[in-house]
Amino acid sequence: DAGVIQSPRHEVTEMGQEVTLRCKPISGHDYLFWYRQTMMRGLELLIYFNNNVPIDDSGMPEDRFSAKMPNASFSTLKIQPSEPRDSAVYFCASSYGQGVGNEQFFGPGTRLTVL
Amino acid sequence: GQQLNQSPQSMFIQEGEDVSMNCTSSSIFNTWLWYKQEPGEGPVLLIALYKAGELTSNGRLTAQFGITRKDSFLNISASIPSDVGIYFCAGHFSSGSRLTFGEGTQLTVNP
Repeated sequence: DAGVIQSPRHEVTEMGQEVTLRCKPISGHDYLFWYRQTMMRGLELLIYFNNNVPIDDSGMPEDRFSAKMPNASFSTLKIQPSEPRDSAVYFCASSYGQGVGNEQFFGPGTRLTVL
Repeated sequence: GQQLNQSPQSMFIQEGEDVSMNCTSSSIFNTWLWYKQEPGEGPVLLIALYKAGELTSNGRLTAQFGITRKDSFLNISASIPSDVGIYFCAGHFSSGSRLTFGEGTQLTVNP
């Protein structure tokens, strides 16, 4: 398997622009997670899906952030409008299940810079 | 919420030295995981621990699930330059819960 695939790997945009990050989970994995990593806050869980349904979005910072999973092989994280404080590395991860014994596999991340 | 305190924050060692880092929590965790993140990549799972007292090895890496279920350590023996990266502990507070991450330990190995 190719592992979790994320695109783009790098994104530079200007404040106010819409940003869309993409993720393809490992085939057969029922759970998909979106994380954000910054120096100040470390790795933060933003939202996760089970069988394409959002289960917990309490980590999404504000209404400017939205995530969708239209099918089992694709998810997007959208920021609109983007702000400089959104600059971070965004990771997608997937797993067979949730919790003990169902470990998460991470993608390579998307490094977002908002100018 | 559950928090993991990881130490040290950074380590600078010479090639060949042994390394030890640990993670503690004020809450009981049912799983302890250790991940390594290399520059420009996502975290990669190194070792998973599921039982209190469990000691597991993966090559030069050894990790233990503390008997109190509130701590874990990771040891790396005979370090080599490719061990460089950020090591994260992580845990599940209970089955089905979110995965909580520590702050990470940045390891630098001088040849």
